Amino acid sequence: AQKITQTQPGMFVQEKEAVTLDCTYDTSDPSYGLFWYKQPSSGEMIFLIYQGSYDQQNATEGRYSLNFQKARKSANLVISASQLGDSAMYFCAMREGYGNNRLAFGKGNQVVVIP
Amino acid sequence: GAVVSQHPSWVICKSGTSVKIECRSLDFQATTMFWYRQFPKQSLMLMATSNEGSKATYEQGVEKDKFLINHASLTLSTLTVTSAHPEDSSFYICIGSAGTASGYTFGSGTRLTVV
Repeated sequence: AQKITQTQPGMFVQEKEAVTLDCTYDTSDPSYGLFWYKQPSSGEMIFLIYQGSYDQQNATEGRYSLNFQKARKSANLVISASQLGDSAMYFCAMREGYGNNRLAFGKGNQVVVIP
Repeated sequence: GAVVSQHPSWVICKSGTSVKIECRSLDFQATTMFWYRQFPKQSLMLMATSNEGSKATYEQGVEKDKFLINHASLTLSTLTVTSAHPEDSSFYICIGSAGTASGYTFGSGTRLTVV
């Protein structure tokens, strides 16, 4: 079964606007971690934000925020004030259990920011 | 911060030859190294998990005799693609973990092309 689901088609976003990328997950483990990564055309994976399952507040990192809805098992990424450099693939990932466990990745969302 | 240095960043080899990819953890000890493969426009798929000093655990469908993984020290893990074929052409990424909840450090990836 798919652990991480990202179903949105490629998205075009106007520069300076906000964009929300959807991610739902599936786990029965009470302890887990959710990650978002950016992959530009160079291929390198860039860490954006992390949310632990026991964290009470939604994670924020600069222009990135994670809308964590535990009951719905969703962890949407919000990018505010989009920039041209935000054009990339974005992957949602999950770690089940405690440290040193594998990351399961979603299929990714393609975002293109247009001026 | 933690860095995983992955080399080479790209390699072209002839069919039937072997290629070695190295991942070195700098400024931290990677007790676990995860090896992933990413085909064009697809997600990252886990190939194997290696812990320092022990044999790697391979995912179903990944040939352990073809993809040799060595994790002899806490700072070095290698993946050798033996008798490479064009279908092995892919983007290979290593991820080092020191066992913390959010501490996953990505290598920059190796783009392998087998001709």
